[in-house]
Order: sequence, then C-alpha cells, then structure tokens
Amino acid sequence: DSGVTQTPKHLITATGQRVTLRCSPRSGDLSVYWYQQSLDQGLQFLIQYYNGEERAKGNILERFSAQQFPDLHSELNLSSLELGDSALYFCASSPLSGSRTGELFFGEGSRLTVL
Amino acid sequence: AQSVTQLDSQVPVFEEAPVELRCNYSSSVSVYLFWYVQYPNQGLQLLLKYLSGSTLVKGINGFEAEFNKSQTSFHLRKPSVHISDTAEYFCAVSEQAGTALIFGKGTTLSVSS
Repeated sequence: DSGVTQTPKHLITATGQRVTLRCSPRSGDLSVYWYQQSLDQGLQFLIQYYNGEERAKGNILERFSAQQFPDLHSELNLSSLELGDSALYFCASSPLSGSRTGELFFGEGSRLTVL
Repeated sequence: AQSVTQLDSQVPVFEEAPVELRCNYSSSVSVYLFWYVQYPNQGLQLLLKYLSGSTLVKGINGFEAEFNKSQTSFHLRKPSVHISDTAEYFCAVSEQAGTALIFGKGTTLSVSS
C-alpha cells in the first residue's frame, strides 16, 4: 500500500459527459501528479501541483483541468469526454518539491471507460 | 527534452532463467533514473532508483540495474526469474528531484514454467 488513495476505482460514462477523479496523497506529501495510461500512449504526465499551486504541465488537454485543495487532496476534472479518453488515470505524490529522492508514490488508479 | 526508450515491448522467459530489460534515455543534463513495476490491476511500485554514486543499483525482489552514462542506458537485470515476476516494467527519468517522471512505454515480462 503506497498510501495514495484514488476514487473511484472504476467509472463508466458516455461521450460528452464530465467526470471528476479524486486523489488523496500520502500523509505529509505536498506534491501531486496526474498521469494517464493508455495502450497506445503509455504513461503520459498530465499535470503537477505543489501545495495548492500548479507546478508543471504535461500533455493535458484543454478539456481537462485539475486542482489541489488546502487539505492537499487533488481532483482531476475531465469534460466533454470522448471515446479516446478511456484510460487508467493515476495519481502520484511525493514529499517536498525539492525531494532528495525524486521517487513518486502511485495510487492504484481510476479506470475510466467512455462509451 | 527528456525521453525514455524501452527497447523491448515484450520479453518472454522461462522460470529460473536470467533476464535483462533494456532502457535508454535522452537528456541534456544529469538525470535521476527509476524502474517501476506494475502487476495486473495494480498501481506502480518502485523497484529501484539511481540518483548518484555507484552505477550498480540493487532493488527489491532481486532486481538490479546498471547506469551507463556513456551509453545513456539503465538496463534492468535479474539472474533468475520467478513466475511471480510476470508484470509490466517501466523505466523512467527525471532531471530534478520533485519533478514529474517521464516514462518509457513499458516492457511486458512473461515468465513461464
């Protein structure tokens, strides 16, 4: 158990809809990262938050947005869903932004299926 | 920009055989290197990491990896695999601690008896 909690574990929805994925980082971790895992693209970095502020952006679509709340949990919002958004979405956390180890701790993921 | 290439998408081996999973990276600066494992229906778990120092890094479950700066490689090895090692293995790189990891596309290791 990495200590990172993601909900829901599975989600099935229709095209055009909007969903929210939630992540609780490990206790004490200030950084949260979101990744998308699909068969054709592999693990793609979407976005990073550090202590409530956006820190880095990766290949995140404009239809997607995220935020990190004062209690450090994070939400990834996916809107106007398309079939191609079906994927496994991972959240990861790490301690301070300047962590010496660089290691990320991953949750078990939220599997999104868009029909 | 950083990138990671995992040279084999699938590696089938027999139980108790040695295995090497290959990883090459591209970066203009010093890097941190990682290998993660993903078992079916689970998240990613850290196997080992290279930050600095000795180029031979030992990890969990008997795995080790060697950092080769001149060849920009970080290959993962295990001298004798078990059925339970069947999983997806990901190589990753970052240029600074606390930044996002950039992953390769993964290598599926299939161990059979």
